[in-house]
Amino acid sequence: GQQVMQIPQYQHVQEGEDFTTYCNSSTTLSNIQWYKQRPGGHPVFLIQLVKSGEVKKQKRLTFQFGEAKKNSSLHITATQTTDVGTYFCAGPSIYNFNKFYFGSGTKLNVKP
Amino acid sequence: DGGITQSPKYLFRKEGQNVTLSCEQNLNHDAMYWYRQDPGQGLRLIYYSQIVNDFQKGDIAEGYSVSREKKESFPLTVTSAQKNPTAFYLCASSMRQGGQETQYFGPGTRLLVL
Repeated sequence: GQQVMQIPQYQHVQEGEDFTTYCNSSTTLSNIQWYKQRPGGHPVFLIQLVKSGEVKKQKRLTFQFGEAKKNSSLHITATQTTDVGTYFCAGPSIYNFNKFYFGSGTKLNVKP
Repeated sequence: DGGITQSPKYLFRKEGQNVTLSCEQNLNHDAMYWYRQDPGQGLRLIYYSQIVNDFQKGDIAEGYSVSREKKESFPLTVTSAQKNPTAFYLCASSMRQGGQETQYFGPGTRLLVL
């Protein structure tokens, strides 16, 4: 079955350092979405990328969708303690738009 | 105030019991989903429904059942056949619009087997 993997599984950074998480799907995705889950909370939508090679920015966050639409990355510049949480990528495959596949998640801890 | 509600927040189940988790949305979304999240893990799809009176199995449907009699409601029953039900259960809904589809999550239910 389809798999969506993320690396690293955990990342501990000092406040002010940069952070990147990578997402890889075993099959082509029709779009990629990123979610953030704070400790004890539920996933909250951050952004969606649809086009091959697309890059979007949200303040200190930069999102990329790979040319083959099978991988993506999220980069945070100058992390803050408010960035703490688990970041998930997700998306439907081009073969079944009705099923969302979530990545395994990257848990970010930011030390003040 | 629009959104997705899940109840209860915490649920305790005895061995051999069936329990039902509630999920209600007033966003007028067609699609609804149930996910399971184990500690430190990602989300795994249990069941999903694209329209009323229709639902499909996800990747880990064994030991679970659902119904979709109303657009607003998608309850999940954890049956006694589910051997390891302790987990965080998340319900989500979505609507496809203009090529975009975003999932909105409820606050979740934590199920613990005693």
